[in-house]
Amino acid sequence: DAGVTQSPTHLIKTRGQQVTLRCSPKSGHDTVSWYQQALGQGPQFIFQYYEEEERQRGNFPDRFSGHQFPNYSSELNVNALWLGDSALYLCASSSGQPTDTQYFGPGTRLTVL
Amino acid sequence: AQSVAQPEDQVNVAEGNPLTVKCTYSVSGNPYLFWYVQYPNRGLQFLLKYITGDNLVKGSYGFEAEFNKSQTSFHLKKPSALVSDSALYFCAVRDPFSGNTPLVFGKGTRLSVIA
Repeated sequence: DAGVTQSPTHLIKTRGQQVTLRCSPKSGHDTVSWYQQALGQGPQFIFQYYEEEERQRGNFPDRFSGHQFPNYSSELNVNALWLGDSALYLCASSSGQPTDTQYFGPGTRLTVL
Repeated sequence: AQSVAQPEDQVNVAEGNPLTVKCTYSVSGNPYLFWYVQYPNRGLQFLLKYITGDNLVKGSYGFEAEFNKSQTSFHLKKPSALVSDSALYFCAVRDPFSGNTPLVFGKGTRLSVIA
């Protein structure tokens, strides 16, 4: 049983560009959450998708947007990149219940130059 | 608003000794509490969680954690540390009365186990 997968592993972009990160959830999970982990910090919640809708959103600007597909996979898009967006982006999947464990993928390391 | 504090940035322990990584939380009502571990350049791996019931929770790799409601703490423990336990540890909380809220993480504690 494959766990949560993310692609790409690493990405280098320049300021002003846009980026798309991808996530496939663990089998049987229908809810995908995205987190940003800056260097030396804990993960910060970006947003959560369930039934192809954004269900909750953290304190991130509209430059961060996402999508969930019918097969429950998800994308995170970031426009107008700036240096501060450099971070490890983590995807987590779950069954969406408050008691459920969120299982994390290996992350995508984004570097903005 | 819910929050988590991990008061120690770094914990050093000798191999074979017991280890404790501290976590305190702030949330209305009874919290859902989680511990994750992160190895270099990797995602977070789930260790254990407290939802309800027995205050002592046992998890993966010999780790356990004790929920203490009066002290609002959820410290991670292991009776005998291994060098391979060296990693970054995150405590996280979810408020069950706020719907399906996301996890709120602490800043992490780096554990170094010295041979």
